[in-house]
Amino acid sequence: EAQVTQNPRYLITVTGKKLTVTCSQNMNHEYMSWYRQDPGLGLRQIYYSMNVEVTDKGDVPEGYKVSRKEKRNFPLILESPSPNQTSLYFCASTTSLDYGYTFGSGTRLTVV
Amino acid sequence: QKEVEQNSGPLSVPEGAIASLNCTYSDRGSQSFFWYRQYSGKSPELIMFIYSNGDKEDGRFTAQLNKASQYVSLLIRDSQPSDSATYLCALRSGGYQKVTFGIGTKLQVIP
Repeated sequence: EAQVTQNPRYLITVTGKKLTVTCSQNMNHEYMSWYRQDPGLGLRQIYYSMNVEVTDKGDVPEGYKVSRKEKRNFPLILESPSPNQTSLYFCASTTSLDYGYTFGSGTRLTVV
Repeated sequence: QKEVEQNSGPLSVPEGAIASLNCTYSDRGSQSFFWYRQYSGKSPELIMFIYSNGDKEDGRFTAQLNKASQYVSLLIRDSQPSDSATYLCALRSGGYQKVTFGIGTKLQVIP
């Protein structure tokens, strides 16, 4: 089944404890992206990648890192999480930005 | 001005009616437009994309694009309670490798 897989689905962590949210797609897509979704603010792009080793900042990159060492994987790293990073995170992928993204199931992160 | 503007709603329509969801955008260079549906607690799901001025129909859904007026709309005919969800408008700005979303309009279809 073609899909974007994120892990974990739920995560509660403490301020400052480094964490990684994994994202993997099995569709051989070139483009991958991370979004966060907050009430009243909608989906905001954190980082995106056009292919292996090619990444760029979205609208809200502060406090996040990404890497794209393999085409299928695009992990999101929070090196020192803070409470304002409490949010619902979505990974997405597509073969072309003109075809629309396929989204993962989401990761609900709470930083206390 | 936000890149993509949507009324957050809720928009309430009776079952069987036509639901009309609207979206305006600021960048005249935007080239690809998308409508996603998001059920509560779920991830966004692509319904349609449209590139050219005019209408594009897919089953009960029709997307309409007017680049001169900078708006895109989604019509849902014969609305069903299962259509109750938040509908997200998104676009790709010309020359940019990013897709920007509106905040979404919550649709409630009343049985």
